[in-house]
Amino acid sequence: GQNIDQPTEMTATEGAIVQINCTYQTSGFNGLFWYQQHAGEAPTFLSYNVLDGLEEKGRFSSFLSRSKGYSYLLLKELQMKDSASYLCAVRSSNTGKLIFGQGTTLQVKP
Amino acid sequence: GAVVSQHPSWVICKSGTSVKIECRSLDFQATTMFWYRQFPKQSLMLMATSNEGSKATYEQGVEKDKFLINHASLTLSTLTVTSAHPEDSSFYICSARDGAAYEQYFGPGTRLTVT
Repeated sequence: GQNIDQPTEMTATEGAIVQINCTYQTSGFNGLFWYQQHAGEAPTFLSYNVLDGLEEKGRFSSFLSRSKGYSYLLLKELQMKDSASYLCAVRSSNTGKLIFGQGTTLQVKP
Repeated sequence: GAVVSQHPSWVICKSGTSVKIECRSLDFQATTMFWYRQFPKQSLMLMATSNEGSKATYEQGVEKDKFLINHASLTLSTLTVTSAHPEDSSFYICSARDGAAYEQYFGPGTRLTVT
């Protein structure tokens, strides 16, 4: 089976840095995705990791360690508009399905 | 990036009626489409996977006779919620993938309210 864990809620201050962790157990691994979702909207793609290491894209970075079943999403220079849910999702190499964690609701405060 | 549309964006229907939701890939051929359901303050739950021209594969616990999925072309998949009940009220989101591409593109979602 598959299990994906991430914190339910986090709070951070505008301009700061926040790290959202995700741990996973899967029956086959073919990539880890991070999505951002604002309330009432569909998820938007942020990052994709399939090899170990750090992927940087502007203010957002994502890290993957396959041996540890661990990833994190790093958000720098936080802005108020970054308040949203952040979803960690793993693609199974066995089924090709994308399975989502429960999501982390981030609140950015002034 | 690739665009996926859904129609309608929201719908209200009476209990016992059926509702059809369309998902279209606008600028690419979606060999595989996925249907998710999301309840308030919860994550996306995969309902079913459909490949063009073949029957959908449903996740455990999802009634295939209640949630009818058709993927008749490379750009269109439909989800029909039959005999809807208030507990079917949810946010339904489709996503599409082009062949072996790694990224899945999500539609804007359809909010279904059953009264």
